[in-house]
Amino acid sequence: GAGVSQSPRYKVAKRGQDVALRCDPISGHVSLFWYQQALGQGPEFLTYFQNEAQLDKSGLPSDRFFAERPEGSVSTLKIQRTQQEDSAVYLCASSLKGKGSPLHFGNGTRLTVT
Amino acid sequence: GESVGLHLPTLSVQEGDNSIINCAYSNSASDYFIWYKQESGKGPQFIIDIRSNMDKRQGQRVTVLLNKTVKHLSLQIAATQPGDSAVYFCAETFSGNTGKLIFGQGTTLQVKP
Repeated sequence: GAGVSQSPRYKVAKRGQDVALRCDPISGHVSLFWYQQALGQGPEFLTYFQNEAQLDKSGLPSDRFFAERPEGSVSTLKIQRTQQEDSAVYLCASSLKGKGSPLHFGNGTRLTVT
Repeated sequence: GESVGLHLPTLSVQEGDNSIINCAYSNSASDYFIWYKQESGKGPQFIIDIRSNMDKRQGQRVTVLLNKTVKHLSLQIAATQPGDSAVYFCAETFSGNTGKLIFGQGTTLQVKP
């Protein structure tokens, strides 16, 4: 497809379960970002990859959050032992170069932890 | 219609009027700015960007103005249409960082037919 694709669109997890969220960026885009968006708020930065290298993970809220992009294309955001406060929309974005080029977002995964 | 404050959460305008959405940014080192539109259930959609060496940039029906002196950004939408109803976010990035965008809280634009 032409855009950033995320799956699943919706995920319901019981507290304590592990979840994995997938992102397929636009082909050829070097940079990949994960954001978390709470209801009624702007997206908050989680982590950034340049190709397969995770260059910035300063936004990950705890060590329960882990992201990878092993081949420099598809990325997975994993949340271990989910908590209710993890409920949010998780957005993935990619850009051609990174700094100075716009981010193109997917439609996100809505995670609800019950 | 015109927003009356920098952090007005909702802006309501009549179809066909011009809209102005304002945003204050915090970092004087910010050098790249983007406006995004987000509809319910979708991810943010790129509208227009501007670099800090410019003070105005125009697109199709949209204009972004940048005032670095007071750290203020605005988005003007001409002849607002019902399809423009959405939440609008400004985002900034600054020299020295990885290119990650820092988002503002957003303004909801409601277009009345």
